Amino acid sequence: NAGVTQTPKFRILKIGQSMTLQCTQDMNHNYMYWYRQDPGMGLKLIYYSVGAGITDKGEVPNGYNVSRSTTEDFPLRLELAAPSQTSVYFCSTRGGSREQYFGPGTRLTVT
Amino acid sequence: GESVGLHLPTLSVQEGDNSIINCAYSNSASDYFIWYKQESGKGPQFIIDIRSNMDKRQGQRVTVLLNKTVKHLSLQIAATQPGDSAVYFCAENMYSNDYKLSFGAGTTVTVRA
Repeated sequence: NAGVTQTPKFRILKIGQSMTLQCTQDMNHNYMYWYRQDPGMGLKLIYYSVGAGITDKGEVPNGYNVSRSTTEDFPLRLELAAPSQTSVYFCSTRGGSREQYFGPGTRLTVT
Repeated sequence: GESVGLHLPTLSVQEGDNSIINCAYSNSASDYFIWYKQESGKGPQFIIDIRSNMDKRQGQRVTVLLNKTVKHLSLQIAATQPGDSAVYFCAENMYSNDYKLSFGAGTTVTVRA
């Protein structure tokens, strides 16, 4: 039981490049979330999903897109990377309890 | 929007002493509050939560206190250990908003040997 896995762990992008951050969970949880964490700050919600086929915007969605075709996967897409998207990205899930389970994060640098 | 914030960005504690980490929140409609621990290079880890209709909740070596009158939340760690060194976040949540979490900026706790 791996919980929440994220790939890659690290990535450096050039301005204007695109990439997909992967998030996979094996807990059969309906709720999944993407957060970003800037240095010295708390996490801010980018997008979330309450189940397969359903996604919605969070607090800071601009520059990102998501999809949820299966319960297990919730990829985050950056289409035109900008320096402001340099951050650490965390995916989390929530099942029947109040607890959210976080992945180990992806550290992204855009130069 | 409203958000949860922490009083102090850093806290230095002697090993074996008790730690108290404070948090002020602004959304009186929040249904529950959560404390997370984040070690360097890792994702946040759930510590304990408390519902808005409670004043106190205890876990293993941790106690969370909620004062709704002044919108204040605290996390007490008993007999602080070196492994408690981390960044601690409080977060708030509402059942009606798909359980989205609002985080404060965090308090960095350093345990002195």
